[in-house]
Amino acid sequence: AQRVTQPEKLLSVFKGAPVELKCNYSYSGSPELFWYVQYSRQRLQLLLRHISRESIKGFTADLNKGETSFHLKKPFAQEEDSAMYYCALLGSSNTGKLIFGQGTTLQVKP
Amino acid sequence: GAGVSQTPSNKVTEKGKYVELRCDPISGHTALYWYRQSLGQGPEFLIYFQGTGAADDSGLPNDRFFAVRPEGSVSTLKIQRTERGDSAVYLCASRFGLNQPQHFGDGTRLSIL
Repeated sequence: AQRVTQPEKLLSVFKGAPVELKCNYSYSGSPELFWYVQYSRQRLQLLLRHISRESIKGFTADLNKGETSFHLKKPFAQEEDSAMYYCALLGSSNTGKLIFGQGTTLQVKP
Repeated sequence: GAGVSQTPSNKVTEKGKYVELRCDPISGHTALYWYRQSLGQGPEFLIYFQGTGAADDSGLPNDRFFAVRPEGSVSTLKIQRTERGDSAVYLCASRFGLNQPQHFGDGTRLSIL
């Protein structure tokens, strides 16, 4: 079955501390994974996708097929990073539908 | 240009009533998706339109749910005989091409009393 698991509902860190938001997936085949972010009172938006291998707002995520993981990392958290983060898996390359995890709230304290 | 627009932003109705939720995608986006997000959960796929046709409706929970996109632009999600379990945020997203990201609307918060 296709599934995305984000084991932490809430991650709380101090400003300047490293951040790692965990994401594990279940998918037979070659997965395509994304991180979406929702800031307070804003709509859901794409943060990054693994095929782009880019760094957005200091965040990176590496696909680890052996561990079936796609953890989101940032070396030094900022207060403006506080938001809800969703990991998503492309469920079908034909339709583009996404399978989302439950989400993790990141709280960066001053 | 405007992003994906969803109306109403909030809808409160009684159990058993019929509701319609509207999505106006970004101009030129041929693909349109509906998702449902229950409290504390991530969005769950409901239905996908490519142009006017529903190419994948495998996520619709039952036959009380139906969606249309008659002219390949605006889409309406219709729920008949609403139940309390239908209470959720209904999200719409659109994209231009298969390798392009989905752009989400603000959602409609549906509350069934």
